[in-house]
Amino acid sequence: GDSVTQTEGLVTLTEGLPVMLNCTYQTIYSNAFLFWYVHYLNESPWLLLRSSTDNKRTEHQGFHATLHKSSSSFHLQKSSAQLSDSALYYCALSDGTGGYKVVFGSGTRLLVSP
Amino acid sequence: GGIITQTPKFLIGQEGQKLTLKCQQNFNHDTMYWYRQDSGKGLRLIYYSITENDLQKGDLSEGYDASREKKSSFSLTVTSAQKNEMAVFLCASSMSQNTLYFGAGTRLSVL
Repeated sequence: GDSVTQTEGLVTLTEGLPVMLNCTYQTIYSNAFLFWYVHYLNESPWLLLRSSTDNKRTEHQGFHATLHKSSSSFHLQKSSAQLSDSALYYCALSDGTGGYKVVFGSGTRLLVSP
Repeated sequence: GGIITQTPKFLIGQEGQKLTLKCQQNFNHDTMYWYRQDSGKGLRLIYYSITENDLQKGDLSEGYDASREKKSSFSLTVTSAQKNEMAVFLCASSMSQNTLYFGAGTRLSVL
């Protein structure tokens, strides 16, 4: 079945440094949707980015990601980390067949310090 | 805009007890989901429902039942709570292109 892999459980950064959170996925379907959700403490998770277009950069709130189908990757990046970016980030996959199942990775906690 | 309301926010149960979690949405979304959140394991899908009275098992459905009697509500039952179990259960809904809207969660502790 479909799966999403986030290799880092915890990423710690100093404010101002670049952010890169890794996400790779497995699916047999060529039209998959990939998502990044962010979960701040004491809030509900919400959608940060999504894409289904190969090699197209998607941006929102200073974060960006590019879906690379050749390497099955959808890494999340930001040029300069802010303290307020500290949160739990989930990569997720929908196979795009019209089905409704959405599979999440194990999540990466980002901690940004001064 | 809409909102997803999960009740209760905190649930404390006893080992072996049957426990029910409720979720209401006013987005008028067709699809609703229940996920379990455990540290280091991410969000694991328990059940989802494409429409009223529909139920689909996720990867973690064993030990749970679900019910979707109305489009706006989706309940989850832990059939027999496990001792020392602690987890957060998140309800979500979606309409198109699979963007999920989440509730605030129900935090379960089993004594």
